[in-house]
Amino acid sequence: GAVVSQHPSRVICKSGTSVKIECRSLDFQATTMFWYRQFPKKSLMLMATSNEGSKATYEQGVEKDKFLINHASLTLSTLTVTSAHPEDSSFYICSARRGLANEQYFGPGTRLTVT
Amino acid sequence: AQSVAQPEDQVNVAEGNPLTVKCTYSVSGNPYLFWYVQYPNRGLQFLLKYITGDNLVKGSYGFEAEFNKSQTSFHLKKPSALVSDSALYFCAFNDYKLSFGAGTTVTVRA
Repeated sequence: GAVVSQHPSRVICKSGTSVKIECRSLDFQATTMFWYRQFPKKSLMLMATSNEGSKATYEQGVEKDKFLINHASLTLSTLTVTSAHPEDSSFYICSARRGLANEQYFGPGTRLTVT
Repeated sequence: AQSVAQPEDQVNVAEGNPLTVKCTYSVSGNPYLFWYVQYPNRGLQFLLKYITGDNLVKGSYGFEAEFNKSQTSFHLKKPSALVSDSALYFCAFNDYKLSFGAGTTVTVRA
């Protein structure tokens, strides 16, 4: 149990376009989902925390108008990178928390390349 | 500020030798500590966690970690490393949200 999926696994988009990444908890309801960004061989940087039905909480330095997060249901959160630029190219990973448990379950990640 | 630190960027061991990946913490109260492993272009896989109780925690794939309060450490260990253990390892603490160490790249040579 506790499987988290992400779609797509890889995406290439042109500069100036927007791209949406989906994160789904397949076999449990996720009260909270987290979005991370990871640069090559580096640690994960938390971008935002989203709770179902409420606005996401963004970490300091993360542009909320550029990285739109929606947590419309207990099994789905989406991250939309708007007006993407090459510097947005990165590995984006989501995780989901079940209830008040302190363990997070991670998705397989999405490799975004902006050309 | 609360944090975890992984003092080694890289650890290299020969297959069959013991593997240790170090982590120290600076967390107030009772820390919730975790170890995760990441293979290339993949998400994170949970290895083990310390919440409370026994200081020696056993986890997945033969890994274990020892919580040492006096040394504020939570080192990950495996008695006999495999080539397939080569990956990026992260120590983390949970204070509602997970905060990760910088990561340690483990290379196990055949």
